[in-house]
Amino acid sequence: RKEVEQDPGPFNVPEGATVAFNCTYSNSASQSFFWYRQDCRKEPKLLMSVYSSGNEDGRFTAQLNRASQYISLLIRDSKLSDSATYLCVVNEENTPLVFGKGTRLSVIA
Amino acid sequence: NAGVTQTPKFQVLKTGQSMTLQCAQDMNHNSMYWYRQDPGMGLRLIYYSASEGTTDKGEVPNGYNVSRLNKREFSLRLESAAPSQTSVYFCASSADYNYGYTFGSGTRLTVV
Repeated sequence: RKEVEQDPGPFNVPEGATVAFNCTYSNSASQSFFWYRQDCRKEPKLLMSVYSSGNEDGRFTAQLNRASQYISLLIRDSKLSDSATYLCVVNEENTPLVFGKGTRLSVIA
Repeated sequence: NAGVTQTPKFQVLKTGQSMTLQCAQDMNHNSMYWYRQDPGMGLRLIYYSASEGTTDKGEVPNGYNVSRLNKREFSLRLESAAPSQTSVYFCASSADYNYGYTFGSGTRLTVV
């Protein structure tokens, strides 16, 4: 089985903090990379794609390190509404996505 | 903007009963997928359909069958439900493999 490994957490951080998650993948042929967000008892939703050059979307920054086979997600200035489970997702070309088990984040007031 | 619609949202079955989970997407996506999610196990792929007319097994296909009825619809059938199939089932679709998926809101199935 293709493996995507994440620290399950929970990460408990105060509002305004910066928090980072890492994810490692086993298949060096992986081509596409994503971060998804899943709220409790809800469906996963695409947060952002991860590009080789890294990408930023507001308070969120994603980076890819192909040599070490890991991707990261950085959240700056955490909000209460950021509390969720964050899923790392990878795939080879022309195969279905493989989901990590997720990292749980709890932002505390 | 319906996206991906799953029915039913909740279901309780007795062991041995059968049922079909329905999924439809209105985004003209080629690929559709069925996942199950269990505590501590993450999302596991049951079956997928890369395009209309094709279906393939995923990681955990035993006890399930699928039908890609047309480009919009992809159903999942449990022929003889077992307690081990108690789970949350998600349907998803994508333009193709290399794009992110859009998920339905899930079906919470309990087999007693």
